[in-house]
Amino acid sequence: QSALTQPPSASGSPGQSVTISCTGTSSDVGTSNYVSWYQQHPGTAPRLMIYEVTKRPSGVPDRFSGSKSGNTASLTVSGLQAEDEAYYYCSSYAGNDIVVFGVGTKLTVL
Amino acid sequence: QVQLVQSGAEVKKPGSSVRVSCKSSGDFFGSYTVTWVRQAPGQGLEWVGRIIPIPGIPVYAQKLQGRVTLTADKSTTTAYLEVSSLRSEDTAVYYCASGDILKYWGQGTLVTVSS
Repeated sequence: QSALTQPPSASGSPGQSVTISCTGTSSDVGTSNYVSWYQQHPGTAPRLMIYEVTKRPSGVPDRFSGSKSGNTASLTVSGLQAEDEAYYYCSSYAGNDIVVFGVGTKLTVL
Repeated sequence: QVQLVQSGAEVKKPGSSVRVSCKSSGDFFGSYTVTWVRQAPGQGLEWVGRIIPIPGIPVYAQKLQGRVTLTADKSTTTAYLEVSSLRSEDTAVYYCASGDILKYWGQGTLVTVSS
């Protein structure tokens, strides 16, 4: 299984919106309702931000939202805040009980 | 709420094996998936495999098939990851996480493979 494709970096100023893409294939993202997004600050464990494409766990600000179109899923962060600066990883169910992660995107708040 | 506490850092020689534990403090340990993810230094997340403690059937990433073994002990609510025939490229932080959506994560265990 190949890793999902994400841009290496994204950036935005405080208060702006930024969208991070996650591109897979028809074998994973394209046919899966199980796409998740994780936030990771340096030296800490990942934190679940979005699951099942659009759902937010309790405690995650509604500034974070997810969507999907075809083989590409997206994470949008609205109203950027300094604490949003982190790495973001997508993941998708890829069939046969296998999960694949994206390569990760570093989000910088300017 | 589920808390996952992992065992401490390990330093191993190439060719040896390592076992990492992940103890859950939550209820219903046997009914939810425990997933293992690793992260090499400066790299992204890599899915290693997962196990449902009951009935204890594991699924492994193809890349690690044959060298990784996942087990779970319901009596101690602890999941285990064993990696054999260690190579330098197995040097990573290994995380356990609970549920199919990986809502709760352990703190991570650094495994260093070095001669």
